[in-house]
Parts: sequence; structure tokens; C-alpha cells
Amino acid sequence: NAGVTQTPKFRILKIGQSMTLQCTQDMNHNYMYWYRQDPGMGLKLIYYSVGAGITDKGEVPNGYNVSRSTTEDFPLRLELAAPSQTSVYFCASSRLAGGELFFGEGSRLTVL
Amino acid sequence: DAKTTQPPSMDCAEGRAANLPCNHSTISGNEYVYWYRQIHSQGPQYIIHGLKNNETNEMASLIITEDRKSSTLILPHATLRDTAVYYCIVRLPLFNFGNEKLTFGTGTRLTIIP
Repeated sequence: NAGVTQTPKFRILKIGQSMTLQCTQDMNHNYMYWYRQDPGMGLKLIYYSVGAGITDKGEVPNGYNVSRSTTEDFPLRLELAAPSQTSVYFCASSRLAGGELFFGEGSRLTVL
Repeated sequence: DAKTTQPPSMDCAEGRAANLPCNHSTISGNEYVYWYRQIHSQGPQYIIHGLKNNETNEMASLIITEDRKSSTLILPHATLRDTAVYYCIVRLPLFNFGNEKLTFGTGTRLTIIP
């Protein structure tokens, strides 16, 4: 099993550009999450999903959108990138509600 | 979720037990204590969790006080590879859709000294 796979690992964007961070998991987990981590800080929840077709906002959703058309995939879309979105983004999944989270390796995004 | 308080940093000698404290004085009766760690810039890794009884697995032990207001994560024989940021999280066992905003604090940066 590959676990949780994120792409790309690194990306530089110009202000105003858009992009999608991809996340896929092969563990058949219903619950998936997107977090961001700013330098020296903890993780903050952006969006989460409890199953295909169901998503909801986390703590810091502004400037992002998500979709969940399949159990495996949970892409995060950045519209009109801003320097404040420079961060490391982590995708995670869990089998059970409130269960152990499995994280991807992260995607480092820089907006210039 | 109840808030947690952890020391920002700790050192431990290699081969000794590392004891990481966490205060969660506002924990409610059905909230679990979870521990994760983040090595360098990798994704966080689950370590252990518990409700009120002490727990042990191949990675660590979790000691929760009787009043459940604090807990200690114990790495019995710390190695250099245990150098990481350790996060203590208190959360409900069920994901209450629309109610839970699961977040990680800043954790404790544990440095294992050779």
C-alpha cells in the first residue's frame, strides 16, 4: 500500500495564479483532511470530508476549495494565490471517525 | 475539543526515557488523548491514544492521571531518531460532522542528545 500520496511535492506560484494539490489514498478510508502548516506553527485544518460527495470547512478555509468525487481522491484547489498561502500542505485520511490519522509527505507551496 | 498545554521544548539523553507532559485540564469525560509526532518536515505520525487507562504499544507508553487533567507520553529508550515535534491532542472519539475543528497546537520539540 502506498498510503496517502500527495503531488506535487514542491511548487512556486505567482500571485493570482491557481493550482490544485492532489491527494489520493489507497486504504479505502472514508475520512480525509487537508491541513496547512506555517513555519514554526502547528497544523491548521482547512477542509475535511467524511465520504464521497460530502465536504465541510475546517478552521482556515478561505481561499481554498475541495471536492470529493471518489473515496480515493481529495484534491485541494487554490484560487487566486496570495503570499499568505505560502505554507506546507498535508493531506490525511482515517478509517474511523476520530481514528488514527495517516498523513502524506506534504506539498510545499511558495507564492511570490 | 479541550485545549492542551505542552512545554515548547525538551532535551533527553540518548538511551534514557523521554517523558513528555501534556496538560488538558478542561478535558471532558468522553474525550480521548492522542499523541502524534512530526519528524523534521514529514507528515505527522500517530503514536498512541487513550481514554483513562494507561496504554502501551511498541512505540511508547501513555500515562493519564486519575483526574484525566494531564498525561505523559513516555519513550522508554530514546534514540536520535526520536528527535521530533510531539503533539498532544484531546478529541472526541467520534467525528461530529460540522462540530469538530480538529487542530494541532505547536507541540513540544524533543531533542535527543547523543
